Amino acid sequence: NAGVTQTPKFQVLKTGQSMTLQCAQDMNHNSMYWYRQDPGMGLRLIYYSASEGTTDKGEVPNGYNVSRLNKREFSLRLESAAPSQTSVYFCASNDGVLGQPNTEAFFGQGTRLTVV
Amino acid sequence: AQSVSQHNHHVILSEAASLELGCNYSYGGTVNLFWYVQYPGQHLQLLLKYFSGDPLVKGIKGFEAEFIKSKFSFNLRKPSVQWSDTAEYFCAVINDSKLSFGAGTTVTVRA
Repeated sequence: NAGVTQTPKFQVLKTGQSMTLQCAQDMNHNSMYWYRQDPGMGLRLIYYSASEGTTDKGEVPNGYNVSRLNKREFSLRLESAAPSQTSVYFCASNDGVLGQPNTEAFFGQGTRLTVV
Repeated sequence: AQSVSQHNHHVILSEAASLELGCNYSYGGTVNLFWYVQYPGQHLQLLLKYFSGDPLVKGIKGFEAEFIKSKFSFNLRKPSVQWSDTAEYFCAVINDSKLSFGAGTTVTVRA
């Protein structure tokens, strides 16, 4: 059982380049999330998807797009990378059912992205 | 503005001291509450969670947290810390399918 798989683990981009971060989960979870982690700012939510076919903006969506391809996969795209997008990106998923004991988020290993 | 507030940015204490980290959230209605820990160079790991029932929740590694609904708080505690507890700690809240994190508290335990 792989849990949440995130690729790539490391990436260096030049300003203006585009790229897609991939995320897949094998736990049949409804909800998936993309966060960025920066020193002193915790994990800030970029976009999330409460269920297949739906996506919503989080705290810091500007400069990003997402796609919930199917229940398993949730990708994050940077159309024109900027140095301010240098960060560590985490994908997460959970079953999305409040009040239940098995509702916790599982995280990918993270992608360390540097934009030069 | 963040909807999950952690009061302390950096806490430094000695081994065997007691630890309490504050967390407040601003959501109404049903919430699930979590504390995650991130050791240096690693990804987030779940320490404990609250979903319903007993407001005092016990987690791994001797940590516990108390949910006080009237105060919208979920503070993390450990009676006696160890050097290995040096890490960053994040409070998180699920409300209406949205999982939000606090800014984190860095805990440094001195031997």
